[in-house]
Amino acid sequence: DIQMTQSPSTLSASVGDRVTITCRASESIRSWLAWYQQKPGKAPKPLVYKASSLESGVPSRFSGSGSGTEFNLTISSLQPDDFATYYCQQYDSYWTFGQGTKVEIK
Amino acid sequence: EVQLVESGGDLVQPGGSLRLSCAASGFDFGTFGMTWVRQAPGKGLEWISYISDIGNAVYHAVSLMGRLTVSRDNAKNSLYLQIDNLRHEDTAVYYCAREARSSGFQGHFDYWGQGILVTVSS
Repeated sequence: DIQMTQSPSTLSASVGDRVTITCRASESIRSWLAWYQQKPGKAPKPLVYKASSLESGVPSRFSGSGSGTEFNLTISSLQPDDFATYYCQQYDSYWTFGQGTKVEIK
Repeated sequence: EVQLVESGGDLVQPGGSLRLSCAASGFDFGTFGMTWVRQAPGKGLEWISYISDIGNAVYHAVSLMGRLTVSRDNAKNSLYLQIDNLRHEDTAVYYCAREARSSGFQGHFDYWGQGILVTVSS
């Protein structure tokens, strides 16, 4: 099974900060990686697919990068609505999620 | 508008069984793969089951192999998940989700239901 490891587990940041979350795969997943945002009590919302393609309607301050085993999700200027938990997911071989990164207010 | 609505969640005793349903609308259900993801209280997301568009391919997470049955009725735009021999650790919110069309072999999940709580307790 492909394992996904996110870092950090928690990230404290302020509005306007540039933040980056990293996701590492235990083996190459080419570019088959998605990112999701989840708020408490809500379903996950897809943000990025195929490592760097933005879902329709997702603000351009979100961007994804990487291929192979290392990937990043970057928020260029953190907004109040962005405080949430973020998950990466590989879909190269079945599906596996990372353990999540909680972005909290500093 | 794509909508996925789960139902069937309940309080179940250990060792019991439960069947969850997911009603789909707003898209051509029979042409998309569908999946189930669960989330234990305070924990992360766990993919547990997948069924292809016409039901000819089914995959389950190894950790639940043998206890899950996933099925679909394309005429009723409905997806189902039966979980047998329920354990305390199966307590979670269960989401159904649609597999996105992909240029690869598999897709990510582009639409999700609101989730349904299953509690396993005596």
